[in-house]
Amino acid sequence: EVQLQESGPGLVKPSQSLSLTCSVTGYSITSNYWGWIRKFPGNKMEWMGYISYSGSTSYNPSLKSRISITRDTSKNQFFLQLNSVTTEDTATYYCARWRVPWDYWGQGVMVTVSS
Amino acid sequence: DIQMTQSPPSLSASLGDKVTITCQASQNINKYIAWYQQKPGKAPRLLIRYTSTLESGTPSRFSGSGSGRDYSFSISNVESEDIASYYCLQYVNLPYTFGAGTKLELK
Repeated sequence: EVQLQESGPGLVKPSQSLSLTCSVTGYSITSNYWGWIRKFPGNKMEWMGYISYSGSTSYNPSLKSRISITRDTSKNQFFLQLNSVTTEDTATYYCARWRVPWDYWGQGVMVTVSS
Repeated sequence: DIQMTQSPPSLSASLGDKVTITCQASQNINKYIAWYQQKPGKAPRLLIRYTSTLESGTPSRFSGSGSGRDYSFSISNVESEDIASYYCLQYVNLPYTFGAGTKLELK
């Protein structure tokens, strides 16, 4: 069975970088697309970006140049880095597999941006 | 970006009721809409893709319909396990966008 698990710090200071890991079991990240989606307090959900089976990426323009998604195929993991965070980036972050559309999701990790 | 206007924000139903949630897109999305269920502290669960295709394991009391800009999602004979929040997602164009969600509660 496909399983995804997010990990990373739950608290990040403003202006710093948020870094999260998604560990995938039961399926290779060299197939399909893999992405990050976040849910804000108040429940709005936002697609952040994805990395493809070949390593190409696509990002939500709303995140401009702050976001980077990378991967380590040897560990079957992919990563999110979001730079210059503000309190507006406080959210629960999910990783998910894209199989037209997002089918398997992780449980999510809550990240608070606060000094 | 395509805006997805989902309504109502909340819904109160009795067991056995039929409930309907709607999503209106800001432009034609050619049936590329999915519906998710989310319970507190859990991962979203994909219920329906491409307007009306039920995922394996989705009970037949769930259904979806629509075309163009207007789509609906229904639960017939609401059961206690259906108490959750529901979201629509358009995936015809990047950036993919979600509706604001509907919280289903028991009356």
